[in-house]
Amino acid sequence: DADVTQTPRNRITKTGKRIMLECSQTKGHDRMYWYRQDPGLGLQLIYYSFDVKDINKGEISDGYSVSRQAQAKFSLSLESAIPNQTALYFCATSPGHSYNEQFFGPGTRLTVL
Amino acid sequence: AQTVTQSQPEMSVQEAETVTLSCTYDTSESDYYLFWYKQPPSRQMILVIRQEAYKQQNATENRFSVNFQKAAKSFSLKISDSQLGDAAMYFCAYRRWSGYSTLTFGKGTMLLVSP
Repeated sequence: DADVTQTPRNRITKTGKRIMLECSQTKGHDRMYWYRQDPGLGLQLIYYSFDVKDINKGEISDGYSVSRQAQAKFSLSLESAIPNQTALYFCATSPGHSYNEQFFGPGTRLTVL
Repeated sequence: AQTVTQSQPEMSVQEAETVTLSCTYDTSESDYYLFWYKQPPSRQMILVIRQEAYKQQNATENRFSVNFQKAAKSFSLKISDSQLGDAAMYFCAYRRWSGYSTLTFGKGTMLLVSP
């Protein structure tokens, strides 16, 4: 029973297509994050949300947008996908206290042809 | 801005031996948190260990321990009695003390474990 789920797990799409990656959590956490992982680059923060009405850009937000539909749902959109957005995408959550770690979803492998 | 550096792209160890993964970070703050995350081939990100900067005692979790050198801004991970299941990518991460802050990750170290 996964606490943080991501759909789809794998996706292949074509350049120019609009893509939405979805994240849901049952942990009751207020904070949610989207990361991108590329080989040799670690995880880079795309967007984050500290509560339902809060959205913040991360270090690599260009070409992406997000929507926080509810406390439990945080979706990432690529309005017009391009090949260099091919990567592994992670959603993460964390509770509100300061010392906490983040809990990650299983990741979405996105390939843009 | 904070940066996290993992200078070892890949490390190898034999089963039952000990290996140390290095991490250095750059910050002007005195209070913060440091983490090691493990990413096995399943690609799931798993927290291994956490260290609060105000604590002088090094964190330990079973076979995993850290060597936290605050003045040197160094946070290495020691894995004792290595097991095949320890083979994974390991990421070091930094987080500011402030409640409203995010994680900064290093680029990772791939750990290979041989029988």
